[in-house]
Amino acid sequence: GESVGLHLPTLSVQEGDNSIINCAYSNSASDYFIWYKQESGKGPQFIIDIRSNMDKRQGQRVTVLLNKTVKHLSLQIAATQPGDSAVYFCAEKETSGSRLTFGEGTQLTVNP
Amino acid sequence: DTGVSQDPRHKITKRGQNVTFRCDPISEHNRLYWYRQTLGQGPEFLTYFQNEAQLEKSRLLSDRFSAERPKGSFSTLEIQRTEQGDSAMYLCASSPTVVTEAFFGQGTRLTVV
Repeated sequence: GESVGLHLPTLSVQEGDNSIINCAYSNSASDYFIWYKQESGKGPQFIIDIRSNMDKRQGQRVTVLLNKTVKHLSLQIAATQPGDSAVYFCAEKETSGSRLTFGEGTQLTVNP
Repeated sequence: DTGVSQDPRHKITKRGQNVTFRCDPISEHNRLYWYRQTLGQGPEFLTYFQNEAQLEKSRLLSDRFSAERPKGSFSTLEIQRTEQGDSAMYLCASSPTVVTEAFFGQGTRLTVV
């Protein structure tokens, strides 16, 4: 079936470095993508989204890149801070649909 | 706090018992979702409401599971005859439209012993 997955299950970076978290998706009909951050014991927290008519979107310290040709999504976090340590999920959906499909998640650890 | 609220936060129950969880979405959101998340995995879609109408159900939602949203506001998720495999985090989310992000609650952690 269709799926969304992540290339790296864990990522460890030094405080102040930039982080890049990758995601591959296989549903070519997906046209809306979201990155969520989830801290231990909490629900997923919205970070940034992007629609398929865009290839880049920037937020505060975060940038999402979308490459529809190879069905790849990435989240870039600038000047990573200890508070960024969490599990990051990409999620995709079709505009005509209701459900989000999540990948497995990447554990980001920021070392001081 | 005007976010999505879930109650209880934690529930421990014996196998075979029934449990019910409650979700209060963001007040102006007419779309409400239930997801289940097991350790180390991403959330999996269970069901979706638009106002009081349940419009979509996942195959994960067996006949032991039932969800309601009687007045188009809060929602309940009931699991009958719980099994150990039901142990998971049950997440509720809401959104104002189908094409925007869903905002999640803190979840209800269910442990079946």
